[in-house]
Amino acid sequence: KNEVEQSPQNLTAQEGEFITINCSYSVGISALHWLQQHPGGGIVSLFMLSSGKKKHGRLIATINIQEKHSSLHITASHPRDSAVYICAVRWRGAYSGAGSYQLTFGKGTKLSVIP
Amino acid sequence: SQTIHQWPATLVQPVGSPLSLECTVEGTSNPNLYWYRQAAGRGLQLLFYSVGIGQISSEVPQNLSASRPQDRQFILSSKKLLLSDSGFYLCAWISGLLNTEAFFGQGTRLTVV
Repeated sequence: KNEVEQSPQNLTAQEGEFITINCSYSVGISALHWLQQHPGGGIVSLFMLSSGKKKHGRLIATINIQEKHSSLHITASHPRDSAVYICAVRWRGAYSGAGSYQLTFGKGTKLSVIP
Repeated sequence: SQTIHQWPATLVQPVGSPLSLECTVEGTSNPNLYWYRQAAGRGLQLLFYSVGIGQISSEVPQNLSASRPQDRQFILSSKKLLLSDSGFYLCAWISGLLNTEAFFGQGTRLTVV
């Protein structure tokens, strides 16, 4: 079964700390997404990666295709970064309809940044 | 620009009552649309997807149904809600093109009481 594993499940950090959230997946993918879910529930797409590294402000996402692993880093963390961070992958495979482009989601990492 | 709207944001419904969640997209035509559900302590799981008007595929058997009455409209429904239907429901638009973005609604927090 194709799976997406995230670690850690919960993470508490002091304001200003450098944070890393990890995502591993079981088979080849065509794309990986990092999402942010705020306490109110709304989900925001942070990054979409198929290779290499992307940076947006204090957020950095990297992916290692060979190792089937991605990381999301937050530099100089702030209490407003507190949220659930979710990794989602689009599996690589022959196109067989919209179902092939569905995303498989990790369970999320709950981040709490304390002032 | 592409946008996706989902409503309502929160909903409390009694057991046995009907449900209708709506998702609409703007800025595209013939989108691939998806409904996901997140139960407590679990990751988001695919419920339904649709590649066009009137075309619905279901991933898991359940007490819910979906409809695509218009190109840019995707509706999740139930005739009689169960307690187990409580959870977070998310509409998504995922382009059929590889390596393109996915767009997400704000989600609906449903509590069945």
